[in-house]
Order: sequence, then C-alpha cells, then structure tokens
Amino acid sequence: NAGVTQTPKFRVLKTGQSMTLLCAQDMNHEYMYWYRQDPGMGLRLIHYSVGEGTTAKGEVPDGYNVSRLKKQNFLLGLESAAPSQTSVYFCASNPQLVGETQYFGPGTRLLVL
Amino acid sequence: KQEVTQIPAALSVPEGENLVLNCSFTDSAIYNLQWFRQDPGKGLTSLLLIQSSQREQTSGRLNASLDKSSGRSTLYIAASQPGDSATYLCAVINNAGNMLTFGGGTRLMVKP
Repeated sequence: NAGVTQTPKFRVLKTGQSMTLLCAQDMNHEYMYWYRQDPGMGLRLIHYSVGEGTTAKGEVPDGYNVSRLKKQNFLLGLESAAPSQTSVYFCASNPQLVGETQYFGPGTRLLVL
Repeated sequence: KQEVTQIPAALSVPEGENLVLNCSFTDSAIYNLQWFRQDPGKGLTSLLLIQSSQREQTSGRLNASLDKSSGRSTLYIAASQPGDSATYLCAVINNAGNMLTFGGGTRLMVKP
C-alpha cells in the first residue's frame, strides 16, 4: 500500500512550457485535491475532485487545469507555465469529503524560469 | 473569506520543555480543525482532528484544544524531544466540507 504518490519529484520549466503532474492513490479514495505551498503562506487549494470524472475549482485555480479520468489518478496541468507558478505542489486524498483527514503525497517541487 | 493565522512563525526550545502552538481563524463556521506535521521536503502527516462539537483531542504527548466561538485552537506538546522538530500546520474545513484552509505554520526546533 503506497498511499499517495506524486510524479515527478522535481522539475524545471521555462516560461511558456507545459507539463502535467500526476497524483496516484491506492486507497480507493473518492476525493482528491491539489494544493500549492509557498513560503510563509501555508497550503492553498488549486482544484479538487469528488469522484471519477468530476472536478471543481479551489481557492487559486487560474493557470491550472485538472482531470480525473480514473478514480485512482488526479492530473494537474500547466498549459503555459509562468514564474509565479514556482512552488511545491501537494496532492491529497480522503475517503469522504467531510470529517475525514486527508492523506498527502510527498510533493512535487516545480521551478519555472 | 476564512483566514487562518499561526503564532509564532518559528520557535526554538530546549529538550524537555512543554510548549504551546497557537492557531486562530476568522470564521467560526467550521466543520472541523486539524493539526498536521510537515518534515522538511516531505508531505503532511495528520496529527489530530477535532470536530466542531469537540473541545479537545489527545494523542500521546500531544493535546489539541478548540474554542470555536473565539476562533482559536492550541496544540500542546508535552516534554518536547528533538524528534518533534518540524513545521506544524493547522487547517480548518468549512461547513460545506469542500474547502480546507491552512495557516502559515509554526517551525519548531527542539534542541538537545
């Protein structure tokens, strides 16, 4: 049982490039989330999903797109990376939207030059 | 908009000391509050979850309290150890259950 895994661990992009971050969970959780963490600002919710085929916007969705084609995977896409998207990205999942703790992946460090 | 603040931002204590980390939130309409631990370069690990109807939760040397009406929570760590060194984050879930709002964290260093 690997829990929540994220690919890649680290990536450097040039401004304007695109990339996809992959989150996978093997706990059969319905709900999955993407956060970004910036120094001194805690974590902020980008997008989330309440089940296969569903997505919803969080607090800071601009510049990102997501897809949940399979229950175990949640993809975060950057179509045209900007330096402001330099951050550490965390994926999380939980079996129930309300009242259950979230399980976090180890993070993806992204640097946009 | 919910805002969560953690004070202090950083704390350094000698081993064995009891300590308190503070968390405050602006909107008392929360479903629950959670405390997480984050080690450098790692993800978050859940420590304690307090439902809005509860006043406190305990796990080993950790005790978290919640005063929803005043918008405050504290995390008490007893007999601190160097292994407790990490960043501690509090987060609240809104009543709709679809938004987890985090504080900026308290970076704790416990010196041997």
